[in-house]
Amino acid sequence: EVVLTQSPGTLSLSPGERATLSCRASQSVISNYIAWYQQKPGQAPRLLIYAASSRATGISDRFTGSGSTTDFTLTINRLESEDFAVYYCQQYGYTPLTFGQGTRLEIK
Amino acid sequence: EVRLVESGGGLVQPGRSLRLSCAASGFKFDDFAMSWVRQTPGKGLEWVSGVSWNGVKTEYAESVKGRFTISRDNAKNSLYLQINSLRTEDTALYYCVKDTIRWGFYYFDYWGQGIQVSVSS
Repeated sequence: EVVLTQSPGTLSLSPGERATLSCRASQSVISNYIAWYQQKPGQAPRLLIYAASSRATGISDRFTGSGSTTDFTLTINRLESEDFAVYYCQQYGYTPLTFGQGTRLEIK
Repeated sequence: EVRLVESGGGLVQPGRSLRLSCAASGFKFDDFAMSWVRQTPGKGLEWVSGVSWNGVKTEYAESVKGRFTISRDNAKNSLYLQINSLRTEDTALYYCVKDTIRWGFYYFDYWGQGIQVSVSS
């Protein structure tokens, strides 16, 4: 199965700053089939990005996905208080579908 | 408005069985594949199983093969997960999730609120 490794485990930043989250796959992900989700405490994950760089419906343009092959990045510009959460990447190029272990974005 | 509402969870003893249900509304249910994803504090998010729009194609994570059975009833807009031979490591919050395609398993644009399954003697 494709193992996704996210880094860093925890990212401490202040509102207004830029967050850069990494997701590395153990093998090349076909067609860059990577999605990103945001999860806040007590809530289900919410889809942010699919196909590595396409924003889901209603997602702010402060969220940008990029990358290819094995290295993918989620960038969040001008952090707002509502952005502090846990972020997961997921690959859907192969079954079993797999998720990264998550990056916790916390307020510094 | 898309809604996915899980039910059927609870506290069960190891070796017993459980059936999770998910009632879907707000979209054309038989146009999309569906899956179950579980979450634990230790292992994070884990895709458990998926079923194609017509129920013909099903896939499972290796950790649950032979014990879990996914199914759907399009007439009732419902998704199911039959869980047999429960193990303590099956303890998790189980989410019903909507896929974005009919055949195959991609990413999930809607999630239920989750249902807790706890396995303990």
